[in-house]
Amino acid sequence: DAKTTQPNSMESNEEEPVHLPCNHSTISGTDYIHWYRQLPSQGPEYVIHGLTSNVNNRMASLAIAEDRKSSTLILHRATLRDAAVYYCILRGAGGTSYGKLTFGQGTILTVHP
Amino acid sequence: KAGVTQTPRYLIKTRGQQVTLSCSPISGHRSVSWYQQTPGQGLQFLFEYFSETQRNKGNFPGRFSGRQFSNSRSEMNVSTLELGDSALYLCASSGAPGQALANYGYTFGSGTRLTVV
Repeated sequence: DAKTTQPNSMESNEEEPVHLPCNHSTISGTDYIHWYRQLPSQGPEYVIHGLTSNVNNRMASLAIAEDRKSSTLILHRATLRDAAVYYCILRGAGGTSYGKLTFGQGTILTVHP
Repeated sequence: KAGVTQTPRYLIKTRGQQVTLSCSPISGHRSVSWYQQTPGQGLQFLFEYFSETQRNKGNFPGRFSGRQFSNSRSEMNVSTLELGDSALYLCASSGAPGQALANYGYTFGSGTRLTVV
């Protein structure tokens, strides 16, 4: 699986935007970029995913670099409930991908009131 | 709609015993996958089932097994429990049709916390 690199931790203040970066220099042309987050004592939660174009949903936005070697998850207005570990994951096609999400260490996001 | 349901939420077992964990996916989802989460190793993929067939397997010993029923509910079994099997076991389901994978997300349950003593 192609590898992703994320900062170990980031901090933000409530009501401010948060930009969570992810580097994936070995991404292949068919890999989708997925983001999940895990709140304390819960299973991971799907946030957003994309292939080439920027994506928006009710939770967040995903900005993908033109060369696709990096992406940024954007939380437009952080709340205390956004404090979680955020995982950037590449999803490829093919049988070895069935059901398999390769989680790295993720970024621990701390949101201050 | 109901989410992914895992039972039981907590379990304490003794070394050498076996354990069976259950997962009910979101209605209509046919893909169910299992993960183990420990503080040291993080989240690791165990296996995935689709329409009662195991399609993918992670790097875990044969003591870890699973199955899926015709209603898509899944169980995983761990035999001859070891202290290192203490972990949070997570189940995830996906509505991806048979071949489409990368363009679908997964919904996770809250997990079963297994403690082996």
